Amino acid sequence: DTGVSQDPRHKITKRGQNVTFRCDPISEHNRLYWYRQTLGQGPEFLTYFQNEAQLEKSRLLSDRFSAERPKGSFSTLEIQRTEQGDSAMYLCASSLERLQETQYFGPGTRLLVL
Amino acid sequence: RKEVEQDPGPFNVPEGATVAFNCTYSNSASQSFFWYRQDCRKEPKLLMSVYSSGNEDGRFTAQLNRASQYISLLIRDSKLSDSATYLCVVNSNTGNQFYFGTGTSLTVIP
Repeated sequence: DTGVSQDPRHKITKRGQNVTFRCDPISEHNRLYWYRQTLGQGPEFLTYFQNEAQLEKSRLLSDRFSAERPKGSFSTLEIQRTEQGDSAMYLCASSLERLQETQYFGPGTRLLVL
Repeated sequence: RKEVEQDPGPFNVPEGATVAFNCTYSNSASQSFFWYRQDCRKEPKLLMSVYSSGNEDGRFTAQLNRASQYISLLIRDSKLSDSATYLCVVNSNTGNQFYFGTGTSLTVIP
């Protein structure tokens, strides 16, 4: 399967714990995005990488959130000191750099903070 | 004001019906527009890009009205398999952020 993959698919954690999610984009895609989606809402943009550079971050991304893409390939999203409000589906997408780019989404990581 | 607004529905239509969804966006500098489809508990998947001249793909037609800042999706001859949530997507003026609407829920009834 050459699509976007995410790991883990599900994560249950206690409030206050740190969690880290991984995204492996489609191999030739230089753009990578992280989104958060809650029930009944569309995905909300969190951050964007072009190769290894993090070029944009949403105001939704508090200082408890950090994302990296160290070699311009896979990316990690870490949430420190999780809160119940962090419970959501975290989606990763990748695309090529071009006009009208199509974003291909991974299956997401569903986080539940107890 | 939200960057993208959609009527959440739900739209319940019989098989074979024609259904139309609209979506409005707030940033007049947006350049890229899409419709994505999301099935229950699945990731969004691109349905079609929306071009200034409008475009058609089989039973699906997308239109862009820049003056009024809205995009539309028309589905003709609805199939049961069209039941899903349809997400309108618009990019930011930097081109790097993508804003999704809340989605419009469609159920096609036998």
